Amino acid sequence: GESVGLHLPTLSVQEGDNSIINCAYSNSASDYFIWYKQESGKGPQFIIDIRSNMDKRQGQRVTVLLNKTVKHLSLQIAATQPGDSAVYFCAENTYYGGATNKLIFGTGTLLAVQP
Amino acid sequence: DAGVIQSPRHEVTEMGQEVTLRCKPISGHDYLFWYRQTMMRGLELLIYFNNNVPIDDSGMPEDRFSAKMPNASFSTLKIQPSEPRDSAVYFCASSRRRGQVRINEQFFGPGTRLTVL
Repeated sequence: GESVGLHLPTLSVQEGDNSIINCAYSNSASDYFIWYKQESGKGPQFIIDIRSNMDKRQGQRVTVLLNKTVKHLSLQIAATQPGDSAVYFCAENTYYGGATNKLIFGTGTLLAVQP
Repeated sequence: DAGVIQSPRHEVTEMGQEVTLRCKPISGHDYLFWYRQTMMRGLELLIYFNNNVPIDDSGMPEDRFSAKMPNASFSTLKIQPSEPRDSAVYFCASSRRRGQVRINEQFFGPGTRLTVL
């Protein structure tokens, strides 16, 4: 059902610590996933993506883990910096055989980095 | 590369007025998406185009909303008449199909913050 006003979950971490942001996706047939970062007043910015034939993918300071069994996605940020403070969204895509370029976004997690 | 360009960045209008939002996708991208973001509903896809053709408009809230893409470098989202509940940030995004890869990352513009009084 719909949320009556979104209440963003918040993750508060100390600068230099590692952050783990979790996402539960809805469709077991989804086969492409993206993490986006959205800073205040800006559009979402691509961080990293992963396809369902992989369990793990690494970027610069970020790692995405995919567990298809429990429909769970996580984003790990190493050595979190103040500039990492933002809302993080996961998004999924499902292949329907027709119009397939549609991303479904989660509600987001606010990452607050304490200096 | 200038990225996705949207205009205006801010729009304040009165209920009943027509509103037109504009988007220029990244050159060479063949997909264009319009999203709406609110605190109540999060980020919602309204419509997307492939090669200037609307593919999925199931997210368009009602007939007051319409979108066009007359060429590969320009799209508009129009609301007529506007209502206070249309107040939101509207994002345009674009992406490019690479070979047989079905979907790739979408690049978002800075958004248009619409306030309908």
